[in-house]
This record gives sequence, structure tokens and C-alpha cells, in this order.
Amino acid sequence: EVQLVESGGGLVQPGGSLRLSCAASGFTFSNYWMSWVRQAPGKGLEWVANIKQDGSEGYYVDSVKGRFTISRDNAKNSLHLQMNSLRAEDTAVYYCARWDWLLNFDYWGQGTLVTVSS
Amino acid sequence: EIVMTQSPATLSVSPGERATLSCRASQSVSTNLAWYQQKPGQAPRLLIYGASTWANGVPPRFSGSGSGTEFTLTISSLQSEDFAVYYCQQYDNWPPYTFGQGTKLEIK
Repeated sequence: EVQLVESGGGLVQPGGSLRLSCAASGFTFSNYWMSWVRQAPGKGLEWVANIKQDGSEGYYVDSVKGRFTISRDNAKNSLHLQMNSLRAEDTAVYYCARWDWLLNFDYWGQGTLVTVSS
Repeated sequence: EIVMTQSPATLSVSPGERATLSCRASQSVSTNLAWYQQKPGQAPRLLIYGASTWANGVPPRFSGSGSGTEFTLTISSLQSEDFAVYYCQQYDNWPPYTFGQGTKLEIK
């Protein structure tokens, strides 16, 4: 059974940093692109970043470029999102999602809440 | 960036009736379109990919159609568990992947 479990969310002040993690199990992690998708309270879904199987390529939505860094550790089956210079508008539930070329975002974690507030 | 627009924002339908949700892309996405269902407090669930192919475990009362810029998700006979928010998403031209703003399907 595919499982994605996020952690690392919490309350952080504007300008602060936070590192999210996603523990993957039930599939060969190194065979898949992985993504982060976020959802602000009461709002829709927004793709944030994705990373290639070997970590050699990563892509970001414009609003987080230069502030967020996606990375992965295939030996530990884990995905990470380093978030720096956080803003109030980054407040959201952050989901880890598996990306498949055919199926698209086919498995999602339960999400972790990030709140940026003073 | 491709903009996805869903309509209506809210759809009120009685159980057992048919629901039709629309999604429009600002430029052609071929059939590189997915639909997701999201219930309160839960993660999104993939329903349809390739505009019309069911994901694993999705009941056949859900069907997707369309290509290019116009897409439809139809639920043929609404069950109580189908009342949720539905999102379309394009993956033809990325980054970024873009989602519609969602259609809330509520009980009439």
C-alpha cells in the first residue's frame, strides 16, 4: 500500500524558515517524480514544486522561486521542502504527492499545516 | 501559464440525479487533464486522468470527457458520498501544473 506521511509543519513568524518532510512507503520511491502541492485555508489547490527521480531537476511555481528548495533522499525514501523567507501568503496545508507521467498526481499524503504569523 | 476555469462554483443537486461539472483551459491541453475529488479535512483523490480514464477504484458513475479546452465531469446518479469539491488540473504544459478553482457539489 502506498503511503505518504508529511511532517514538519507548524507556526512560524514572517521571514522565518521551516523544513517539511514526507516519508514514502509501499512503492519504489526512486522511480517517481515527487511534488508538493499546497492549499490555503478555504482555498483551492496550488502546485508548489516537483523533483525528478534522481534529484537532478526541480521546478517551482514562480511565487516560491528563490525561497523554497525541494530535495529528496532516495536511500531514506524521503522528500523535503526547505522553506525560507516565509510570508503570510505561504500559510497553507502542504501535501506531498506522487507524480506519474500517465496518472499525474495519483497518491497524496494527509498534509501538514504551515501557519506564518506573528 | 495555462489558466483553468471551472463552472459553476457551486452546484446543488439531489441524490440520485445527474451532475455535470465543467472545466475550461485558457489554451489547448489536449487530453492532459485530471479530475480530483476532495472531501472536508481530506487530501484530494485522483478520479480521472487523460480526460476520460478512471483511476483505480473509481466507480463507473463518474465519467470524464472533452479535449483541447473544454472538459466535463459527469456523475450519473449522485450518491451521498459524492458531495465534495471537485478540481480539474492540466498537465500538458508545465511548470506550473495548474488547477481550477474548484466546484463544490452540495446536496439540494
